[in-house]
Amino acid sequence: SQQGEEDPQALSIQEGENATMNCSYKTSINNLQWYRQNSGRGLVHLILIRSNEREKHSGRLRVTLDTSKKSSSLLITASRAADTASYFCATDKYDKIIFGKGTRLHILP
Amino acid sequence: DGGITQSPKYLFRKEGQNVTLSCEQNLNHDAMYWYRQDPGQGLRLIYYSQIVNDFQKGDIAEGYSVSREKKESFPLTVTSAQKNPTAFYLCASSAREPGDYGYTFGSGTRLTVV
Repeated sequence: SQQGEEDPQALSIQEGENATMNCSYKTSINNLQWYRQNSGRGLVHLILIRSNEREKHSGRLRVTLDTSKKSSSLLITASRAADTASYFCATDKYDKIIFGKGTRLHILP
Repeated sequence: DGGITQSPKYLFRKEGQNVTLSCEQNLNHDAMYWYRQDPGQGLRLIYYSQIVNDFQKGDIAEGYSVSREKKESFPLTVTSAQKNPTAFYLCASSAREPGDYGYTFGSGTRLTVV
């Protein structure tokens, strides 16, 4: 019962460039979250945006939410090698969170 | 520091065996979750529990069992009925509504059938 779907599936950019990932979802939500997963590790919560918010910032991260289009984007500015990871969007569904399949981001030196 | 501890990090299971994955949290979170992750598949929910002595099936509960006897602990048993158990298993917890606060994840257990 997948709710969110990330795009692109994979992304390679040069270090220092900005990386943008998108998430589309199907039903109405209360909140949308983004997580990062380094290879072979657990997920780390990055940022949460509520349905009544349009944009949120956290350090080099910028998240936007368009509830009319049922979509969100995650922008990572001035990318670093340490940003190489998979990024997942997650949407709330009753008493649990549903994750997408993720975007694999690779930062090239 | 508070967090979630999963053990073991790697686990090998023979055909027909049951194995139990441990998940312990000291965050005083009410809710706990088990996810399975296969390559390219994202995370799929196995079981979750919002209070002690109560739990609900997720999307792929067949072949798995759980218990929640203590708030801090939510072990997952992979039974012999699970035909394809090789995967990366992730435990998570949250304070009350996960949509409001997000999840804290453990570092995972990689299970391999030999």
